[in-house]
Amino acid sequence: AQKITQTQPGMFVQEKEAVTLDCTYDTSDQSYGLFWYKQPSSGEMIFLIYQGSYDEQNATEGRYSLNFQKARKSANLVISASQLGDSAMYFCAMREGNFGNEKLTFGTGTRLTIIP
Amino acid sequence: DGGITQSPKYLFRKEGQNVTLSCEQNLNHDAMYWYRQDPGQGLRLIYYSQIVNDFQKGDIAEGYSVSREKKESFPLTVTSAQKNPTAFYLCASSTGLVSIEQFFGPGTRLTVL
Repeated sequence: AQKITQTQPGMFVQEKEAVTLDCTYDTSDQSYGLFWYKQPSSGEMIFLIYQGSYDEQNATEGRYSLNFQKARKSANLVISASQLGDSAMYFCAMREGNFGNEKLTFGTGTRLTIIP
Repeated sequence: DGGITQSPKYLFRKEGQNVTLSCEQNLNHDAMYWYRQDPGQGLRLIYYSQIVNDFQKGDIAEGYSVSREKKESFPLTVTSAQKNPTAFYLCASSTGLVSIEQFFGPGTRLTVL
């Protein structure tokens, strides 16, 4: 079974609109972390935002926010006021593992295209 | 500046040859990781190391080998046993202790001819 599921292979959004990228996860751990990364065409992975499983408030970083719904095992990324530079691949990832033995599992990604 | 370097950015090899990809970090991170990315796909974990002289297989370790003799270095060897080695390879590091971020290198695009 997939541990991280991103159901939107591609999205097209008008510039300045808000966009939500979906991510659901599957784990039996009580302690885990959820990440979103951006990958432009250059290939580098850019960290956007992090949510810990025990964090009660949704994480926010500038125009990025993470809509964390623990009971639904959902960790959607919301980008407000989208810009042309937001066009990229976006990956959701989950950190699992015990102390000193952690690893990330990535979803298959969503390709976001911002239309002028 | 602190960060992760991978060299070279593009690498070409003939089929049947082993090739070693370099990954160096000066972030003083204990944990290092190697991922493989195929076109239009997510990242898959090849190997990871939480501490010097120790490493574990990830989800797709067959045909790859690693070493961790120094904290700052985690080279990956793609052996001739890897049946489909052409891919984009990314190295990452983290503190390894309930880390809130993995830092990534710029990647190496390997093409086997």
